[in-house]
Amino acid sequence: KQEVTQIPAALSVPEGENLVLNCSFTDSAIYNLQWFRQDPGKGLTSLLLIQSSQREQTSGRLNASLDKSSGRSTLYIAASQPGDSATYLCAVRPIYGQNFVFGPGTRLSVLP
Amino acid sequence: ETGVTQTPRHLVMGMTNKKSLKCEQHLGHNAMYWYKQSAKKPLELMFVYNFKEQTENNSVPSRFSPECPNSSHLFLHLHTLQPEDSALYLCASSQTPWQGTSGRVQTSEQFFGPGTRLTVL
Repeated sequence: KQEVTQIPAALSVPEGENLVLNCSFTDSAIYNLQWFRQDPGKGLTSLLLIQSSQREQTSGRLNASLDKSSGRSTLYIAASQPGDSATYLCAVRPIYGQNFVFGPGTRLSVLP
Repeated sequence: ETGVTQTPRHLVMGMTNKKSLKCEQHLGHNAMYWYKQSAKKPLELMFVYNFKEQTENNSVPSRFSPECPNSSHLFLHLHTLQPEDSALYLCASSQTPWQGTSGRVQTSEQFFGPGTRLTVL
């Protein structure tokens, strides 16, 4: 059964710092991996989708990488801003069995 | 309207009430999902519908009853809930995986609605 973990569980950084969020999954048989952000009490906003054949995707200050063989993805946020404060979740879409499996999230606080 | 919408946004109900949550997607997707998000727990997939047919039920208690009348609408009927069912209920949609021209399976992003905050008294 696919399991997804995220490290760290929480992170607090000063504004302007570059930071890396980590996501690990146990089964490399996936269609894709998707990163989301969630503001308190709100739905999830899609940030980046990486197909299993891709190594990375970029959108603005965000860059996500995927190493399927080692079961890892990282989300790099450049020049962090207070508006980036949210919970960041990663989810994989397994090829077999389940539809989507989510990690527990990393709660990010960017201090002005 | 665009994206995925959910109503109501907030719902308070007693344990003997019957209520329904509604989700509508305006993205032309053919797969829709219900998730439950409880405090301090990862997002839990409840039900999946592909082309209006239920394709996944993750051992969800029968007091939750989904309905998908067409590819754009999804309901979650609630009956005789327990206080531990209080949570944020999220609806999402995506395309079902398809074979691309390269022969590789292609998948789309999953898009979420804003959620319904449910409180069971």
